[in-house]
Amino acid sequence: QKEVEQNSGPLSVPEGAIASLNCTYSDRGSQSFFWYRQYSGKSPELIMSIYSNGDKEDGRFTAQLNKASQYVSLLIRDSQPSDSATYLCAVALDPTGNQFYFGTGTSLTVIP
Amino acid sequence: KAGVTQTPRYLIKTRGQQVTLSCSPISGHRSVSWYQQTPGQGLQFLFEYFSETQRNKGNFPGRFSGRQFSNSRSEMNVSTLELGDSALYLCASSLFPGRANYGYTFGSGTRLTVV
Repeated sequence: QKEVEQNSGPLSVPEGAIASLNCTYSDRGSQSFFWYRQYSGKSPELIMSIYSNGDKEDGRFTAQLNKASQYVSLLIRDSQPSDSATYLCAVALDPTGNQFYFGTGTSLTVIP
Repeated sequence: KAGVTQTPRYLIKTRGQQVTLSCSPISGHRSVSWYQQTPGQGLQFLFEYFSETQRNKGNFPGRFSGRQFSNSRSEMNVSTLELGDSALYLCASSLFPGRANYGYTFGSGTRLTVV
């Protein structure tokens, strides 16, 4: 079992809709959670981090963490074609960051 | 301020050769990590350096090595290249080691093709 699992997609949503991306992790003691966005041919860029249960909002993005169910999700409201990218979930298993794992990513396409 | 700079952007090598990739972190960042990204495996951790010391190493063969200089710039070397080493190699910097609280800033990567 991989430490971090994501549905590879592709996920397609119409412009203006809510895109929902999900990630599950295997280690119940995981500490910190991150979402990265990677455009085709580009490097990943950090868009959200979340450390405690609940929701964290930043503009059109909301990260949700449920440690009991071991999942973290990313919601993108009012999706735009410019949001079309691969979204990578990353999990730090311990506070030192020595165990830091990426999922393989979910490809999102926003259709105009 | 300048981001993470990786050179070269593209490389084509033949099997059996060796290659050296370079990474300059964000000014003031002292931790540099290297990742290999392939379509099938995603991002795989290679190693992390802090203050010229290798702090962590992933599950890669000894053909993959790295080092960090006193100015925090880092290099990674792959010897005896294999076709399977074709990948995007990403360097990431952070202010401190222990990525748990800070995440990463990635460079643009070096696309290595082994033929």
